Amino acid sequence: AQSVAQPEDQVNVAEGNPLTVKCTYSVSGNPYLFWYVQYPNRGLQFLLKYITGDNLVKGSYGFEAEFNKSQTSFHLKKPSALVSDSALYFCAVRGYNAGNNRKLIWGLGTSLAVNP
Amino acid sequence: EAGVTQFPSHSVIEKGQTVTLRCDPISGHDNLYWYRRVMGKEIKFLLHFVKESKQDESGMPNNRFLAERTGGTYSTLKVQPAELEDSGVYFCASSQAVGQNNSPLHFGNGTRLTVT
Repeated sequence: AQSVAQPEDQVNVAEGNPLTVKCTYSVSGNPYLFWYVQYPNRGLQFLLKYITGDNLVKGSYGFEAEFNKSQTSFHLKKPSALVSDSALYFCAVRGYNAGNNRKLIWGLGTSLAVNP
Repeated sequence: EAGVTQFPSHSVIEKGQTVTLRCDPISGHDNLYWYRRVMGKEIKFLLHFVKESKQDESGMPNNRFLAERTGGTYSTLKVQPAELEDSGVYFCASSQAVGQNNSPLHFGNGTRLTVT
């Protein structure tokens, strides 16, 4: 079965410190992996994606994620957290479907709180 | 460019009533998706339109849910009659043409539906 796991419901980090939000996945074939962020009362915003190529992917707002095939992980990272990074973060993987269907399978989300 | 817009932002209805949610995708986006997030659970796929055609409706919970996309522009999602378990946030997303399978999804702010 295809699935995404975000093992932490909440991550707390002090402003200026590095942050990591964890994600592991299970999918048939090569994974297409995504990170989205949801700020309060807003829709989901795309941060970054891994399709092929370099395992380290850089995205919006200084975020990056590292694809690790052996560990089936795609952890989100940022070298120096900002208070404005506080939000809900979702990891998603594209499930295998025939044709052009691009159904995403989502993790439960991780609430990131950056403390000043 | 205008983003994905959803209306209404909130809806509170009684069990047994009917509610219609509307989504206006980004102009020119052929792919339109509906997702739902029930409180405390993962975001789940409902269905996918390519232009006016339903590409995949495997996530629709039951026949109380009806989605349409007449003319391939905006979409509506009707719930009739609503049940308590239908409460949640309904997200609409759109993406570019069918041939660009890995283009990110652009989400609306969601409609928060509460069935009492």
